[in-house]
Amino acid sequence: RKEVEQDPGPFNVPEGATVAFNCTYSNSASQSFFWYRQDCRKEPKLLMSVYSSGNEDGRFTAQLNRASQYISLLIRDSKLSDSATYLCVVNIDNDMRFGAGTRLTVKP
Amino acid sequence: EAGVVQSPRYKIIEKKQPVAFWCNPISGHNTLYWYRQNLGQGPELLIRYENEEAVDDSQLPKDRFSAERLKGVDSTLKIQPAELGDSAVYLCASSLYQGTVEQFFGPGTRLTVL
Repeated sequence: RKEVEQDPGPFNVPEGATVAFNCTYSNSASQSFFWYRQDCRKEPKLLMSVYSSGNEDGRFTAQLNRASQYISLLIRDSKLSDSATYLCVVNIDNDMRFGAGTRLTVKP
Repeated sequence: EAGVVQSPRYKIIEKKQPVAFWCNPISGHNTLYWYRQNLGQGPELLIRYENEEAVDDSQLPKDRFSAERLKGVDSTLKIQPAELGDSAVYLCASSLYQGTVEQFFGPGTRLTVL
């Protein structure tokens, strides 16, 4: 079993849609959690951290369920510029473990 | 502020040849990471440096891969000899110190082994 598993995607949605990505992790000792964004042929960049109480940054909402070892990312009112691959990342003893990513394409 | 710099951006070599990648982290960042990213996969950690010390190299294939970070700044990752399966993007990242929330990635070196 992979340490970090994500919806394989791809997700193809129209502008303005709401889309949700899921991620599960296998190591209960995982300490912190993140979503990174990676544009095609570019490097990953931090989108947001994920906190136990859930957190929101504009149109983006991240949630963490430690009991179920589950992380989610919700994007509301999708924009064309949201098209990218979204990587779920789990920190275990200062090692960042990346999921394979979920590809999102937002269409006009 | 300059980001993480990597060179070369692209490299095409024949199998069994050596290859080296160079990384200059963000100024003041003590922790440096080398990752390998295969197509359709997330980055996988190869080695992590805290200043000039390699604190985690458990995922580095030591028979053919080597890395160094002299003086705790720039770093070089080497493969000798390269194999077909080494074709991937090699990403360097840095952070202020280990455990920092955000890692900053360089643009990567895309390696093709023929």
